[in-house]
Amino acid sequence: DVKVTQSSRYLVKRTGEKVFLECVQDMDHENMFWYRQDPGLGLRLIYFSYDVKMKEKGDIPEGYSVSREKKERFSLILESASTNQTSMYLCASSLWVTTTEQFFGPGTRLTVL
Amino acid sequence: DQQVKQNSPSLSVQEGRISILNCDYTNSMFDYFLWYKKYPAEGPTFLISISSIKDKNEDGRFTVFLNKSAKHLSLHIVPSQPGDSAVYFCAASERVTGAQKLVFGQGTRLTINP
Repeated sequence: DVKVTQSSRYLVKRTGEKVFLECVQDMDHENMFWYRQDPGLGLRLIYFSYDVKMKEKGDIPEGYSVSREKKERFSLILESASTNQTSMYLCASSLWVTTTEQFFGPGTRLTVL
Repeated sequence: DQQVKQNSPSLSVQEGRISILNCDYTNSMFDYFLWYKKYPAEGPTFLISISSIKDKNEDGRFTVFLNKSAKHLSLHIVPSQPGDSAVYFCAASERVTGAQKLVFGQGTRLTINP
């Protein structure tokens, strides 16, 4: 089974802090994705990566950056956290560029005070 | 602008009856449609998908119907079971540089009553 793990289940940070969310997948998937989930809005794509060091903006990239130095690891960075970034963050991976099915991690509930 | 919409935030169904979840989309370029199920404190898990060239796909108790002319899809669960209580997300896939990008609806919370 594909396993996608996220470094923290719950995180509380202060406004202005730099925040790192880590995601690791163990199935040699090419693509990795970061989403945020908010009530009434569903899942929205922040960034994705299709190869090491390659990244593409999703629908809501403002205020975020990403890093993929190794194939299995994809990090989401909040350079200066703000209260409107309080959300559930979900990481996902998919096998190949043409694969539609994505496998999700358990999520990180981030609260910015 | 929401390209994928689930207009019912919640649905309550009696155990053993049919559950029907609906989804509408606007982009004709979507090539696959997927349904995901999400329990609290867990990530979404893939349930079933359908290609845009088909109108029905069945997997056990789950059937997805696609009406391209109406840009509408639906998920039928029959018979509904208590373990089906979860939030269901509809997603549509489009090819972008490097990946198949998924666009999600807002979700529908399904509650199965005993």
